[in-house]
Amino acid sequence: DTEVTQTPKHLVMGMTNKKSLKCEQHMGHRAMYWYKQKAKKPPELMFVYSYEKLSINESVPSRFSPECPNSSLLNLHLHALQPEDSALYLCASSHASGTERNEQFFGPGTRLTVL
Amino acid sequence: DAKTTQPPSMDCAEGRAANLPCNHSTISGNEYVYWYRQIHSQGPQYIIHGLKNNETNEMASLIITEDRKSSTLILPHATLRDTAVYYCIVYAYGQNFVFGPGTRLSVLP
Repeated sequence: DTEVTQTPKHLVMGMTNKKSLKCEQHMGHRAMYWYKQKAKKPPELMFVYSYEKLSINESVPSRFSPECPNSSLLNLHLHALQPEDSALYLCASSHASGTERNEQFFGPGTRLTVL
Repeated sequence: DAKTTQPPSMDCAEGRAANLPCNHSTISGNEYVYWYRQIHSQGPQYIIHGLKNNETNEMASLIITEDRKSSTLILPHATLRDTAVYYCIVYAYGQNFVFGPGTRLSVLP
């Protein structure tokens, strides 16, 4: 299984809502990532988890809260978002840093619209 | 900031080879060159990577110059399904992927 799955595919939420994005992989990868991609822009790294521990937070606002319940799952909890947070949210996974093969496998993304 | 520069767009005729250049003049000795592509509204897809030798797989070939300051991704027989944004990334273990703007390749019938 070389697939990263993300749910939901689309999400529309109000600024007062609380929602969560889910990502799952079964490739035995120990590093997982959240990226944000605005229209016609490249993906930008938000968070990195390595061995289920948060290793990198790229100065992301606290209204985004990541969680890694186990080595196969990655969540992104959303609360009090702003319309400018509307974007494609991508999850990726890879073998842990330092291994020979470290290419990241990306999921299809969740397209988020904040009203 | 991304450590690579790529042309913003390129066209290629269907069935012909697509040659996508990438400049990475400040690359360090331990940094690899990775290529990804992103078809519209999908997640990026890994294509190939290399350190200093040329590499080939079922999708593409990667040619890295001897001084490693530039590389070329070659899609040998481009199809309409190869229309995508292609990202060239310089990466060393322990770093994070930094995506630049990429090259928007249009394969024309």
